[in-house]
Amino acid sequence: GENVEQHPSTLSVQEGDSAVIKCTYSDSASNYFPWYKQELGKRPQLIIDIRSNVGEKKDQRIAVTLNKTAKHFSLHITETQPEDSAVYFCAARDTGFQKLVFGTGTRLLVSP
Amino acid sequence: DAGVTQSPTHLIKTRGQHVTLRCSPISGHKSVSWYQQVLGQGPQFIFQYYEKEERGRGNFPDRFSARQFPNYSSELNVNALLLGDSALYLCASSLRPVNYEQYFGPGTRLTVT
Repeated sequence: GENVEQHPSTLSVQEGDSAVIKCTYSDSASNYFPWYKQELGKRPQLIIDIRSNVGEKKDQRIAVTLNKTAKHFSLHITETQPEDSAVYFCAARDTGFQKLVFGTGTRLLVSP
Repeated sequence: DAGVTQSPTHLIKTRGQHVTLRCSPISGHKSVSWYQQVLGQGPQFIFQYYEKEERGRGNFPDRFSARQFPNYSSELNVNALLLGDSALYLCASSLRPVNYEQYFGPGTRLTVT
């Protein structure tokens, strides 16, 4: 089955800096990679996703890149703001059946 | 615009007891998945249901069971609760299993004492 590793576990940046979170996956047949943001005590919120037929996707200040050969994908946040502070989870869709396999999360802290 | 709803919000149970958690998907969504999120970890897949049939099961013991109703709402049942079952239980809905986007509910925080 799929296995997803996520780094770093914590990331501290200054407001306005960029933040990058990286994930690797094991199943070369996986074809869908979402990113979720979870604020303390709240539900995971889908912020961006990418499918395996696309190498990069952007949505305002966030972007996701996918390298199928290396089996890794990354979340990029530019011009970070304090409200970006949260735990971010990457995930990959297991091709065995329709479940998402999540990484262990990255706690992002954006200081004013 | 109603999102995924779950009840109850919080629950405290004693070891050995039984618990039932409920989920209503986004209107029009026919697939519901259940995840367990232990503090400090990512969600772990428990079940997926579509059209009232189980379509997938994660690596959880038989104490965990679920079902989906004709209105696409779902219940997760856990028997013989253990301390290790304490977690946030999340329900996610999607239009169909093959539709990739899953949207999560607020979760039920279960504490087993």
